[in-house]
Amino acid sequence: KQEVTQIPAALSVPEGENLVLNCSFTDSAIYNLQWFRQDPGKGLTSLLLIQSSQREQTSGRLNASLDKSSGRSTLYIAASQPGDSATYLCAELDRDDKIIFGKGTRLHILP
Amino acid sequence: EAQVTQNPRYLITVTGKKLTVTCSQNMNHEYMSWYRQDPGLGLRQIYYSMNVEVTDKGDVPEGYKVSRKEKRNFPLILESPSPNQTSLYFCASSSGRLAGDNEQFFGPGTRLTVL
Repeated sequence: KQEVTQIPAALSVPEGENLVLNCSFTDSAIYNLQWFRQDPGKGLTSLLLIQSSQREQTSGRLNASLDKSSGRSTLYIAASQPGDSATYLCAELDRDDKIIFGKGTRLHILP
Repeated sequence: EAQVTQNPRYLITVTGKKLTVTCSQNMNHEYMSWYRQDPGLGLRQIYYSMNVEVTDKGDVPEGYKVSRKEKRNFPLILESPSPNQTSLYFCASSSGRLAGDNEQFFGPGTRLTVL
């Protein structure tokens, strides 16, 4: 059974620091990988999508990388701000349209 | 405003009493999906629909039904709810199948408690 793991489950960092969130997956036939943000009591917002043929994607202060051979993806957040506090989820999609989510990393940026 | 709406947002019910959670999107999306989110288990897909009258099971379909009679609506039906269906439910939509690299838009969630 395919699995997606996110470590750590929670993370607190001071404002202004750069940080990395980790995601690992077991599916070697991954089609794409997505990073989402979830604010308390709200739905998910898509942040970045990396196709299996790509190595990374960037949007503003966010950069996501994908290494299929090692089964890992990272989300890099530069110059963190209190507004970045949220839960970040990664999800891998296989070619049969089956999507599997990680349990998320709860990020708290300390002012 | 492009959005996915769910109703109700909060629901407390009792075991065995049939209920329906509605989901509607105004983006003319073909793909719609239902997820449940549980502490320690993350987000799991219940059912999805590629288009009108086309539905398929996700990872945890037991105890749920769906229908897709119109493109914009994708209701989730619990014929006989049980306490293990207490969860936070999300509906999502996308312009096409997920393997087409189409972004999913999520609704605000429905918190269901079954006593």
